[in-house]
Amino acid sequence: KAGVTQTPRYLIKTRGQQVTLSCSPISGHRSVSWYQQTPGQGLQFLFEYFSETQRNKGNFPGRFSGRQFSNSRSEMNVSTLELGDSALYLCASSSPLAGGPFATQYFGPGTRLLVL
Amino acid sequence: KQEVTQIPAALSVPEGENLVLNCSFTDSAIYNLQWFRQDPGKGLTSLLLIQSSQREQTSGRLNASLDKSSGRSTLYIAASQPGDSATYLCAVRGETSGSRLTFGEGTQLTVNP
Repeated sequence: KAGVTQTPRYLIKTRGQQVTLSCSPISGHRSVSWYQQTPGQGLQFLFEYFSETQRNKGNFPGRFSGRQFSNSRSEMNVSTLELGDSALYLCASSSPLAGGPFATQYFGPGTRLLVL
Repeated sequence: KQEVTQIPAALSVPEGENLVLNCSFTDSAIYNLQWFRQDPGKGLTSLLLIQSSQREQTSGRLNASLDKSSGRSTLYIAASQPGDSATYLCAVRGETSGSRLTFGEGTQLTVNP
């Protein structure tokens, strides 16, 4: 099976712009979670989508939003970019129907966002 | 609030050594604990998943143990190789945190030839 894929891999934006990142989960996986990784804060949970519904949300401002499509692909949007949004954005997929909360989460390669 | 700590933050060893990485968590109400490897600038590779009812898991030269009641896990790497050089992260999935994984800061491992 193909792994989790994320596009684009690298992005450079300027403050105030908005950005959309995409994540395609492993075939058959219906849960997609997003994480932000920065040197100062480490890995922090953004949100999780399951069957097109946001099921869980981390402590990020409303500028961070997401959605999931019927084919389980997910997008994450950040509006009004700030310098502090520069980070590696990772998505992970899992198959809750197969393992519930016990299922392994598989991560993609990430999107590196640089805000200037 | 769940907190995960990894010790040491960095470790440098000669090739061939056996080594242990430590992970501790504050809330023992977890579903499972997962160990990951991250190479510079890359995503996370899942190494081992230990369910809360299990004591250990093994994969090749890797062995992970879990002591849920004391909030500790260790990752044992046997006969280390330069290719093992990476950052190792542990993450717990709490019973009250839904799908969220709470990560430690990681241990940066360097294996010298």
